[in-house]
Amino acid sequence: DGGITQSPKYLFRKEGQNVTLSCEQNLNHDAMYWYRQDPGQGLRLIYYSQIVNDFQKGDIAEGYSVSREKKESFPLTVTSAQKNPTAFYLCASTHRGQGNYGYTFGSGTRLTVV
Amino acid sequence: GNSVTQMEGPVTLSEEAFLTINCTYTATGYPSLFWYVQYPGEGLQLLLKATKADDKGSNKGFEATYRKETTSFHLEKGSVQVSDSAVYFCALIGSSNTGKLIFGQGTTLQVKP
Repeated sequence: DGGITQSPKYLFRKEGQNVTLSCEQNLNHDAMYWYRQDPGQGLRLIYYSQIVNDFQKGDIAEGYSVSREKKESFPLTVTSAQKNPTAFYLCASTHRGQGNYGYTFGSGTRLTVV
Repeated sequence: GNSVTQMEGPVTLSEEAFLTINCTYTATGYPSLFWYVQYPGEGLQLLLKATKADDKGSNKGFEATYRKETTSFHLEKGSVQVSDSAVYFCALIGSSNTGKLIFGQGTTLQVKP
């Protein structure tokens, strides 16, 4: 079955360390997105990519980095510069220009800084 | 810029009660509107959508009508079940071509037997 796989489901990081969250899709979608979810808040866009080798900052990109070397993969790195990284991270995808059909979301990665 | 505002939660209802979750939006042009649902510990699932004024989206007994005159997209269900307990997000995609989905803050629904 087609879908989006995020791994790991739970991740613990020590302060000062970088950590990379994986997002893989086999839906042949062009566009991929990373959102951050905090309790009592909606989802906030971190980065998005509409084609391979191209990506744009979202509303809260500071302290994060991404790459899009393959259509299927859009990893997110949470760097030590991110001041408050503990959150639930969601990856999503859609066909480029077809967001009106809705996004497909992964099941998320919960990152905790210890 | 574009934005979405949802009613504050949590909402607690008894089984078979009527549900309304209010959602209003601010956007230029003609956005597409969505309701997503998130069950505990999971990602989001598309519940329903509407892409133009006066469209009604419906799924699993939930309905929402795109009201441009009041810039609203309220979610309704006539008889909720315990299994409907989840967080509900209203969202929009603006008429630009970036495809960015903008979310409201989410409303937690708890249905008691």
